[in-house]
Amino acid sequence: DGGITQSPKYLFRKEGQNVTLSCEQNLNHDAMYWYRQDPGQGLRLIYYSQIVNDFQKGDIAEGYSVSREKKESFPLTVTSAQKNPTAFYLCATRRSRGSGNTIYFGEGSWLTVV
Amino acid sequence: KNQVEQSPQSLIILEGKNCTLQCNYTVSPFSNLRWYKQDTGRGPVSLTIMTFSENTKSNGRYTATLDADTKQSSLHITASQLSDSASYICVVSAVDSNYQLIWGAGTKLIIKP
Repeated sequence: DGGITQSPKYLFRKEGQNVTLSCEQNLNHDAMYWYRQDPGQGLRLIYYSQIVNDFQKGDIAEGYSVSREKKESFPLTVTSAQKNPTAFYLCATRRSRGSGNTIYFGEGSWLTVV
Repeated sequence: KNQVEQSPQSLIILEGKNCTLQCNYTVSPFSNLRWYKQDTGRGPVSLTIMTFSENTKSNGRYTATLDADTKQSSLHITASQLSDSASYICVVSAVDSNYQLIWGAGTKLIIKP
């Protein structure tokens, strides 16, 4: 079944812990993105990657880190430096960075700090 | 500053009624505009994409319009169904080195039986 798989769907983090959200795609898309969504706000870009072994900071990268060692995978680590990590996280892909290409989203991961 | 503003913030209508959602943008230079539907707790799904030269585009009961002169777009939903209850997000793409996407905050639509 083709698509974008995010895991876990729900994750709880204790203060001071790092956690990693997984994003895997089998669409053979070059570009991958991580967004954060808070209630009543638009999606905000955390990091994006246009190609393997390369990634760029988005608007709210502080406290987050990513890697792109394989085309299919773009994991996001929420570090202890992120002071308000409770949010809905969305991974997305795009065939290439051309503006006419649609962005496809995974089902999202809910992260809660306890 | 590139911005996308949507109105209303939320809307409640009865099943079977029509409704129109608004999107105003200040993105320049403009590349295209998309409408996404997002069910609660799910990822957004693309409904339509419109370029500068397109005025109207339909996808089933959804019809999007674009006025590039006034920088306004609307999404009209005809004969609403309970499954239309969702957030509808307007996204504008700018022509820059990375085709930056500017996201609106969305309109939360609730359809009541």
